[in-house]
Amino acid sequence: QKEVEQNSGPLSVPEGAIASLNCTYSDRVSQSFFWYRQYSGKSPELIMSIYSNGDKEDGRFTAQLNKASQYVSLLIRDSQPSDSATYLCAVNRGGSARQLTFGSGTQLTVLP
Amino acid sequence: GAVVSQHPSWVICKSGTSVKIECRSLDFQATTMFWYRQFPKQSLMLMATSNEGSKATYEQGVEKDKFLINHASLTLSTLTVTSAHPEDSSFYICSASGGVRYEQYFGPGTRLTVT
Repeated sequence: QKEVEQNSGPLSVPEGAIASLNCTYSDRVSQSFFWYRQYSGKSPELIMSIYSNGDKEDGRFTAQLNKASQYVSLLIRDSQPSDSATYLCAVNRGGSARQLTFGSGTQLTVLP
Repeated sequence: GAVVSQHPSWVICKSGTSVKIECRSLDFQATTMFWYRQFPKQSLMLMATSNEGSKATYEQGVEKDKFLINHASLTLSTLTVTSAHPEDSSFYICSASGGVRYEQYFGPGTRLTVT
């Protein structure tokens, strides 16, 4: 079992729809959770971080965390073609180590 | 958000030469910096972790004598690819982390081509 799992996609949604990206993790002691967006040929960009159970909203993005189910998701409302990218879920187990464990990413395409 | 720069953005070198890549955190102190490599259409691969003033910790399978990492200050880390070969051609990305949270902020990456 991979430490951080994501559906690789590709996931296609029409413009204006809600895109839902999911991630599960295996290490129950994980403390910090992040979503990165990576455009083709570019480096990852941090778009959301979440540390406690529940929802966290930032503009069109909502991150959801459920530690009991070891599940974190990202919702993108009113999806735009410019949201087309690979979305990486990353997890940190806390303590002194700052390493992140990344999922393999979900490729999202928003169709105009 | 925090800004991390990387230089150069792309480099072409001949086989057998060495290349140095710089990574700078511009507006925060990075206690830890990371170096990743990414091949086309593949996932990020962590190469090494460096803490300021300490020796880098390399991931299994990464040759520490080939990929020299120096993290001399809280704002600068360098990766030197020694005796580069065509198979070292890749997209090298650094990230920086500091403060009480564990976010990593990525540099724009360096595309290395070895001919």
